[in-house]
Amino acid sequence: AQSVTQPDIHITVSEGASLELRCNYSYGATPYLFWYVQSPGQGLQLLLKYFSGDTLVQGIKGFEAEFKRSQSSFNLRKPSVHWSDAAEYFCAVGRNTGTASKLTFGTGTRLQVTL
Amino acid sequence: SQTIHQWPATLVQPVGSPLSLECTVEGTSNPNLYWYRQAAGRGLQLLFYSVGIGQISSEVPQNLSASRPQDRQFILSSKKLLLSDSGFYLCAWIRTKANYGYTFGSGTRLTVV
Repeated sequence: AQSVTQPDIHITVSEGASLELRCNYSYGATPYLFWYVQSPGQGLQLLLKYFSGDTLVQGIKGFEAEFKRSQSSFNLRKPSVHWSDAAEYFCAVGRNTGTASKLTFGTGTRLQVTL
Repeated sequence: SQTIHQWPATLVQPVGSPLSLECTVEGTSNPNLYWYRQAAGRGLQLLFYSVGIGQISSEVPQNLSASRPQDRQFILSSKKLLLSDSGFYLCAWIRTKANYGYTFGSGTRLTVV
């Protein structure tokens, strides 16, 4: 079965600093990988996704992620964090069961941004 | 454009009471629908998914059930709530199984007291 590990429960960065959120996955086939962001009390918004092709994926809000098969990782990055980026971030791996797709999520990383 | 609605936004229910959470999707047909639960510090757990009317698949045994009475309606229910049912419940949809870009509703915060 697939699994996702987000080793950092909580990260604090200063506004304007760079950000990298770690994600490691376990999956027996070519993974479909996602990053979602969740503001407090809200649903999840898709930041970016990787299906195939270029291993560096660009997303919304200035985020990007790099798929590294050799390391089973899909880390999320942003060169300069804004205070509005404070939220919880979830990495997910998708699989197709033949009738439906399913996403398995990591436990999330809460990002705090200091001014 | 497609939209997904969940209600209520918050709910406080006593132990042993019934539950009904509703999710509807607009602007599409034959969506795949999902119910996830988010418990503190545990990420999101897939509870149920549906690929069509009356077709429900359960991921984990629990005190909850799901139904899909109409193409774009997905309902999460319980006959008797437990304290452990507290959490944040999220509905999601995708157009086809090949498109993994889930769209989530805004969620329902359920507190069982």
